[in-house]
Amino acid sequence: RKEVEQDPGPFNVPEGATVAFNCTYSNSASQSFFWYRQDCRKEPKLLMSVYSSGNEDGRFTAQLNRASQYISLLIRDSKLSDSATYLCLARDSNYQLIWGAGTKLIIKP
Amino acid sequence: EAGVAQSPRYKIIEKRQSVAFWCNPISGHATLYWYQQILGQGPKLLIQFQNNGVVDDSQLPKDRFSAERLKGVDSTLKIQPAKLEDSAVYLCASSPRTSLFTDTQYFGPGTRLTVL
Repeated sequence: RKEVEQDPGPFNVPEGATVAFNCTYSNSASQSFFWYRQDCRKEPKLLMSVYSSGNEDGRFTAQLNRASQYISLLIRDSKLSDSATYLCLARDSNYQLIWGAGTKLIIKP
Repeated sequence: EAGVAQSPRYKIIEKRQSVAFWCNPISGHATLYWYQQILGQGPKLLIQFQNNGVVDDSQLPKDRFSAERLKGVDSTLKIQPAKLEDSAVYLCASSPRTSLFTDTQYFGPGTRLTVL
């Protein structure tokens, strides 16, 4: 079974700190990767796509490590509003979509 | 731009009953997804449509679940008969199909199903 694994957390982080978490995938044929954010009892929303060269969007940086088969998400200067569950998504060459179970992040004042 | 619409938002049924969910994707979006999300887990893809054709339904429990997208626009997901373990949020998402590999998925608010 093709898997995408995430540390469920919760990660309890003080406001202003930097936090990072990873997502490992077992299917080496995975081609595209995404980070989604899901607030409690809400639908997932795209945070960012993950490219081979890595990408940055404001305080958020995503990286892909194909050799070790993981993607990472780094959040700098964390805000209270960053509290959410972060889901990673992998799509393979057959268009199959596998989601991780999510990492819960709690930013404390 | 209107988002993905789903109805009903909540449904409570007894086991062995039938239930149907409706989804209207964002206008012009060719790809439509149905997911099941159990509390504390990530979304599980049930079925993916490209216009009115099925791209992937490998995880759809076909003995009890069915889905259709007859005109390539809105879609219905049906469960018949329901089991206790079907209690979950059913999410519908759509994407514009510029590329299946890079497309952003836009989710509806979901239908929360409780099976008693």
